[in-house]
Amino acid sequence: IAGITQAPTSQILAAGRRMTLRCTQDMRHNAMYWYRQDLGLGLRLIHYSNTAGTTGKGEVPDGYSVSRANTDDFPLTLASAVPSQTSVYFCASSDRPTSGIEQFFGPGTRLTVL
Amino acid sequence: DAKTTQPTSMDCAEGRAANLPCNHSTISGNEYVYWYRQIHSQGPQYIIHGLKNNETNEMASLIITEDRKSSTLILPHATLRDTAVYYCIVRGLYNFNKFYFGSGTKLNVKP
Repeated sequence: IAGITQAPTSQILAAGRRMTLRCTQDMRHNAMYWYRQDLGLGLRLIHYSNTAGTTGKGEVPDGYSVSRANTDDFPLTLASAVPSQTSVYFCASSDRPTSGIEQFFGPGTRLTVL
Repeated sequence: DAKTTQPTSMDCAEGRAANLPCNHSTISGNEYVYWYRQIHSQGPQYIIHGLKNNETNEMASLIITEDRKSSTLILPHATLRDTAVYYCIVRGLYNFNKFYFGSGTKLNVKP
């Protein structure tokens, strides 16, 4: 059982380029999430999806977009990358989007925008 | 959602109990207390959660005060592999888009 996989593991990207971070889960979880982690700021929620076909904005959504065409995949797209988007990105999933539920996290993608 | 306050870092001797405090004085009645940890360069890992009662699982125990304004995560026999950043999070029942991790406590387990 893989759980949650993310790709790529790391990436160096020129500013202005488009980039899609991939996230796939095999647990048939309804809810999925994207976080970014920056030193001293903990994890901040970018976007979430309660179920396939729906998405919502988190705490820091600007500059990012997501889609949820099916249960398993939740890609995060940076349409035109900027250096402030240099961060470690974590994808997560949970069986339901409500409280009392554990979130499972992927291994992360380290993105550097130059 | 209520915000949390945790010490920046703590030390613990290997084999001893590690007690990690968390203050959440503005917690409301339907908000859960979660604990996650993050070992260097890895994704966060769920440890335990609770609402009112104390909870225990194979990893840790969670002690929540009667007024629910603070809690303590207890690792009964800390090992070197428990060295990590520990996050205390308070989350409302239906606030699925609010899961604030904050800066956490860096626990250093020493031989």
